[in-house]
Amino acid sequence: NAGVTQTPKFQVLKTGQSMTLQCAQDMNHNSMYWYRQDPGMGLRLIYYSASEGTTDKGEVPNGYNVSRLNKREFSLRLESAAPSQTSVYFCASSALAMGAGELFFGEGSRLTVL
Amino acid sequence: EDQVTQSPEALRLQEGESSSLNCSYTVSGLRGLFWYRQDPGKGPEFLFTLYSAGEEKEKERLKATLTKKESFLHITAPKPEDSATYLCAVLRYGGATNKLIFGTGTLLAVQP
Repeated sequence: NAGVTQTPKFQVLKTGQSMTLQCAQDMNHNSMYWYRQDPGMGLRLIYYSASEGTTDKGEVPNGYNVSRLNKREFSLRLESAAPSQTSVYFCASSALAMGAGELFFGEGSRLTVL
Repeated sequence: EDQVTQSPEALRLQEGESSSLNCSYTVSGLRGLFWYRQDPGKGPEFLFTLYSAGEEKEKERLKATLTKKESFLHITAPKPEDSATYLCAVLRYGGATNKLIFGTGTLLAVQP
């Protein structure tokens, strides 16, 4: 089983460039999430989608946009990348809403903004 | 303010040397506490969910316990393959939606 698949795994951007991180899950989960992980900080929620067609801001949404394309796919877009967005980004999904149950994570996308 | 604190930040054990990791929390309206394991370069992998004080869960060499203020992850006779970062996360009731708060993790290294 693939579980949660993220692309790309690595990306280097220059300040001001844009890019989209893609995420797809094959577990028929309703809820999907985007987190960022930085050294010395816990995972922080950027955006989440409780179900197809809905998205909500998390703890650190500024500078990001998301699209829940369908039940399987949830993308994260950086419109104008900044060095502060250098991080490891994780997509996750769950059967239950908003972390009430087990989260399944992808392997991460490592983004460097120069 | 909601807070989840894990200690120690890093722990080095010899193979077979049992120990415990701590996750202390100050949140109102606890709905659950989760433990995850994260290997280098990978995403977190779910281990346990605990819902109420006094609850315990076991899986192989790992045992998680919960009190009203903290959770412990006990590792009995660890092996090198138990080396990883262990994350705890607290789910609290947030009105319209719940909020999941992650700790910063404990990096465990088990030497043969």
